[in-house]
Amino acid sequence: DAGVIQSPRHEVTEMGQEVTLRCKPISGHDYLFWYRQTMMRGLELLIYFNNNVPIDDSGMPEDRFSAKMPNASFSTLKIQPSEPRDSAVYFCASSFAPQGNSPLHFGNGTRLTVT
Amino acid sequence: GIQVEQSPPDLILQEGANSTLRCNFSDSVNNLQWFHQNPWGQLINLFYIPSGTKQNGRLSATTVATERYSLLYISSSQTTDSGVYFCAVPIKTGANNLFFGTGTRLTVIP
Repeated sequence: DAGVIQSPRHEVTEMGQEVTLRCKPISGHDYLFWYRQTMMRGLELLIYFNNNVPIDDSGMPEDRFSAKMPNASFSTLKIQPSEPRDSAVYFCASSFAPQGNSPLHFGNGTRLTVT
Repeated sequence: GIQVEQSPPDLILQEGANSTLRCNFSDSVNNLQWFHQNPWGQLINLFYIPSGTKQNGRLSATTVATERYSLLYISSSQTTDSGVYFCAVPIKTGANNLFFGTGTRLTVIP
């Protein structure tokens, strides 16, 4: 299995621009999670999906952030407009079982820098 | 919400030494996972261990759910073990999302 695949690995953009991060979960995993990691706040859950449906988006910082999962093999996290404080590493992760009773597998992350 | 405390925050070891990392959590949990974030930033799942003991090569983990702690043992450490070790538990019983501790930063010196 190829694992969770994220793209791009690095993204540098200017303030005000739209940023789209992409994720392909492990095949057969019904749960997909978007996390953000910063030095100040550590790993934070932004949103998660079950069977392509958003279940909990309470971690999404504000309306500038949106996430979609149009099918079982693809998800996007979009920031529009981006701000310097959005600079962080964004991770996508997936798991196969409900109730959190299965290992969580992470992608390699996207390092976002907003100047 | 649930609290997760990891200790020590930082650890420096000579190659070949053994170490024990600890994770304390404030509420009963049905799921605990250990992760290693290597110096390149990759997050690798080491153990899914809600209770009992598991071993994988030089690493082993023990969770005592009734006493609300888990231990990660690293034996005969290697430089490739360097990085940050996180434990994570569900934010509440039955929840699908995990809450991560602040981690233990391990540096193994050759």
